[in-house]
Amino acid sequence: DTGVSQDPRHKITKRGQNVTFRCDPISEHNRLYWYRQTLGQGPEFLTYFQNEAQLEKSRLLSDRFSAERPKGSFSTLEIQRTEQGDSAMYLCASSVSRTRADTQYFGPGTRLTVL
Amino acid sequence: AQKVTQAQTEISVVEKEDVTLDCVYETRDTTYYLFWYKQPPSGELVFLIRRNSFDEQNEISGRYSWNFQKSTSSFNFTITASQVVDSAVYFCALRGNFGNEKLTFGTGTRLTIIP
Repeated sequence: DTGVSQDPRHKITKRGQNVTFRCDPISEHNRLYWYRQTLGQGPEFLTYFQNEAQLEKSRLLSDRFSAERPKGSFSTLEIQRTEQGDSAMYLCASSVSRTRADTQYFGPGTRLTVL
Repeated sequence: AQKVTQAQTEISVVEKEDVTLDCVYETRDTTYYLFWYKQPPSGELVFLIRRNSFDEQNEISGRYSWNFQKSTSSFNFTITASQVVDSAVYFCALRGNFGNEKLTFGTGTRLTIIP
């Protein structure tokens, strides 16, 4: 099986620019999650989708952040007017909700550096 | 609110020694799920194990074993006969019951195996 893929793997941008990341989940996984990880910390939940519906958003997700999963397959995470504090690794995970105990499998992440 | 504590920030052991990584959690859910993930230098989170709160049996997988104790809210991870390839950051994570799908991670333990 192909794992979760993320694109790009690295992104360097200047403060104030918009950036968009893409995540392709494992085939047939209906749940998709976004997390953010800063240096020395564990991943923090941002948002998640079941199929195309966005079911939960963290308070960490400011108005500058928006996520979509238009056809229930891949997802995009956009950050508008980036700030230096947005520099982090953005991780995507997917799972299949066949049982209540679904396991999330993670992609390689997109490392964002805001100058 | 859910919380995961990994008190050990960094551990170094000599190759072939056994090492135990501690994880303590807090949750109000009566049904919950515990996970361990490995994050090697490449950055991708690799799933190791999932444990359901209603199953307190310990588990062994090769050199890895997990000790789940509900009475002390702990889910510790032991590597026997450590190898250099075990060097990584290890995260313990907690997921609540149905409807509480996000993972709450600890801050991780950086394990270094010295050859």
